[in-house]
Amino acid sequence: DSGVTQTPKHLITATGQRVTLRCSPRSGDLSVYWYQQSLDQGLQFLIQYYNGEERAKGNILERFSAQQFPDLHSELNLSSLELGDSALYFCASSVGSNSNQPQHFGDGTRLSIL
Amino acid sequence: GENVEQHPSTLSVQEGDSAVIKCTYSDSASNYFPWYKQELGKGPQLIIDIRSNVGEKKDQRIAVTLNKTAKHFSLHITETQPEDSAVYFCAATLTNTGNQFYFGTGTSLTVIP
Repeated sequence: DSGVTQTPKHLITATGQRVTLRCSPRSGDLSVYWYQQSLDQGLQFLIQYYNGEERAKGNILERFSAQQFPDLHSELNLSSLELGDSALYFCASSVGSNSNQPQHFGDGTRLSIL
Repeated sequence: GENVEQHPSTLSVQEGDSAVIKCTYSDSASNYFPWYKQELGKGPQLIIDIRSNVGEKKDQRIAVTLNKTAKHFSLHITETQPEDSAVYFCAATLTNTGNQFYFGTGTSLTVIP
């Protein structure tokens, strides 16, 4: 058990809809990272938050947004969903803000767009 | 950014044999190289990591080697067991372009009993 909690485990919705994925980091970790895992793209970094502030941005679509709250949990919001957004979405956390330290992953949210 | 290539994409070994997975990276400024194991229905689990100031690191049956000159690093699993069957990902990271991991495309390892 990594200590990172993601909810829900599965999400099924339709095109054009909006969903929110939630992540609680390990106790003591201040950074939260979001990744998308699909069969053809592998694990792709989306965005990082550190202690409530955005720290780094990857290949995140404008339809996607995230935030980290004062209690350090994070939410990833996906809107105007398309079929191609079907994927596994992982959250990871680390103690500090630098990437040269271990990141611990949750078990992901599987998003299926019908 | 960084480009990480991983080989092979699939690997089958007999129980008790060794398995080796290799990764190359493109940016010489990369300084941290973790390896993750992902089992079906689970998230990636960190199994070992190495920093750029170290050439080799070992943890029981798992070892990682790093060749900075050639820009490649490898995962070695000895005395493989069926429970080692999973997908393994390498990653590289450099802090001067943001705080993100660049992952390889994964190796599906099957250990045949």
